[in-house]
Amino acid sequence: EVQLVESGGGLVQPGGSLRLSCAASGFTFSSYWMSWVRQAPGKGLEWVANIKQDGSEKYYVDSVKGRFTISRDNAKNSLYLQMNSLRAEDTAVYYCARGEYSSSDFDYWGQGTLVTVSS
Amino acid sequence: EIVMTQSPATLSVSPGERATLSCRASQSVSSNLAWYQQKPGQAPRLLIYGASTRATGIPARFSGSGSGTEFTLTISSLQSEDFAVYYCQQYNNWYTFGQGTKLEIK
Repeated sequence: EVQLVESGGGLVQPGGSLRLSCAASGFTFSSYWMSWVRQAPGKGLEWVANIKQDGSEKYYVDSVKGRFTISRDNAKNSLYLQMNSLRAEDTAVYYCARGEYSSSDFDYWGQGTLVTVSS
Repeated sequence: EIVMTQSPATLSVSPGERATLSCRASQSVSSNLAWYQQKPGQAPRLLIYGASTRATGIPARFSGSGSGTEFTLTISSLQSEDFAVYYCQQYNNWYTFGQGTKLEIK
């Protein structure tokens, strides 16, 4: 059974940093592109970043470029999102999601982890 | 950026009836279109990909159609568990989602 389990969310002050993790199991993690998708409270979905199977390609939505870094450790079946210079508008539930290709649907999602940026 | 527009924002339908949800892209996305279902407090679940292919385990009452800029998700006979928010997503040029359609019980 495919499972994606996020962790690392919490309350952080504006300008602060946080590192999210996503533990994957039930599939060959190293064979898939992985993404982070976020959802602000009561709002819709926004793709944040994705990373190629071997980590050699990474892409970001404009609003997080230069502040967020996506990475992965295939030996640990884990995906990460390092978030720096956090802003109030980054407050959201962050989901990790699996995609087969660089441009594909997201067939499995984690349960999400809440990041709240507030003083 | 490709903008995805869903209509209506809220759809009230009685159980057993048919529901038709629409999604329009600001430019062609070919058939690179997915539909997701999200219930309160849960992650989105993939229903349809490639505009018309049901994902694994999705009941046959869910069907998708369209290509280019106009897409439709149809639920043929609504069950109680189908009342949720539905999102369309294009993955032809990066990824963008529609704002969602809330399907509520009439």
